Parts: sequence; structure tokens; C-alpha cells
Amino acid sequence: QKEVEQNSGPLSVPEGAIASLNCTYSDRVSQSFFWYRQYSGKSPELIMSIYSNGDKEDGRFTAQLNKASQYVSLLIRDSQPSDSATYLCAFNAGGTSYGKLTFGQGTILTVHP
Amino acid sequence: GAVVSQHPSWVICKSGTSVKIECRSLDFQATTMFWYRQFPKQSLMLMATSNEGSKATYEQGVEKDKFLINHASLTLSTLTVTSAHPEDSSFYICSARATGGNTEAFFGQGTRLTVV
Repeated sequence: QKEVEQNSGPLSVPEGAIASLNCTYSDRVSQSFFWYRQYSGKSPELIMSIYSNGDKEDGRFTAQLNKASQYVSLLIRDSQPSDSATYLCAFNAGGTSYGKLTFGQGTILTVHP
Repeated sequence: GAVVSQHPSWVICKSGTSVKIECRSLDFQATTMFWYRQFPKQSLMLMATSNEGSKATYEQGVEKDKFLINHASLTLSTLTVTSAHPEDSSFYICSARATGGNTEAFFGQGTRLTVV
């Protein structure tokens, strides 16, 4: 079983719509969860980090974490063509391994005008 | 914000030669740095954890004698791909974690290695 599973995609949404990205993980000791955006040929950039159950909002982005269900999601409201990228969820176990990330396989998002 | 600089951004080398990639934390000290590899259309895979002043910890399946890691200072880690072969062609990305406390890691811009 893979440690991190993302909805396979690719995902295509019209401009202005809500894009929903999902991720499940198998390691119950995971403490920190992240969503990264990666444009082709570029390094990942951090969009959101979430550490406790519930929702966390930052602008057009909302991350949701449910540790009991081992599930984390990312909603992008009012999607823009510039949001078109690969989205990676990642987690680490915290403690001395903080910063050591396990990534999902990524979901390609295309926002079409 | 924290800045991590990788150099070079891209490199082309001949098969059998060695290539060194540098990862620098520009505005913070990093006790720990991480090296990832990303093949086309795949996700990032952790190769090794680099700790300042001590030996790197390699992930299963990563050859430590082929991928030499040196973390001699709190701001610099290097990855040397020795005797590179075309199958080593990949996107290599480092990240650095600030010293002290639980802090997130910041990514460098990555190095595209092509072995011909």
C-alpha cells in the first residue's frame, strides 16, 4: 500500500469553479500535512500547511484535515488559469524527522478559460 | 522568507563523469537538508537526509557510494553524482530546515541533470 494516495486526475475545471483535491495517507503517526504546487520544470512551492483537525483557510485555498479518517484535502475557490499545475500533498511524522517529507504522486489540475 | 539556493540550475554531463550540486541556505542556518529526486511525470522521492557535521542518512535503494553527500557547514550541503549514467538523468531538489525547533523545510529551485 502506498503511503500517500492522491486522486489520480488529471482534473479539469472551468475558470471560476471550485477545484477539489484529495489525499489519503497510511501512516498514523503523521503530524504535519502540506499541499505544494509545482509548475512544469520548477521546484514545488508551499501553498498550505495544516497540523490539526478541521479547516484552514488562506485566501482562495482551504485545507481540510481529518486524522481519524487519514484524509486531507485542498479546495481552490474561484479557480484561475494560473492555478493550472501539479498539486502534491505531503506529510511528515514530526519530531526529529520534521522537514522530511513523503509526497503523493500528484494531481494535474487544468483550469480552462 | 527563507531562501534556499541550488546551483547549478541545469547541467549536462557525459556518461562516466561526476557532477556536484550545491544547496545553500542564504538567510538561515540549516542543521538538516534533504535531497530529493524527481523523474519525469513522477513525484518527489527522498534520497537522503543530510546532517551538518555527520554522515548522511540514505533512503532504501539509494546508493551512498554513488550519491555522495557532504554537509560541512550550516549553510551548505553538496550532492555529488559519481560516474553518472543516463539513468541518473533527473530533477534533483534540495530542501533545508532551519536549526532549532519544529520548522518547515524550504525548497531550492532544483537542478536538472542530463547525462549523455
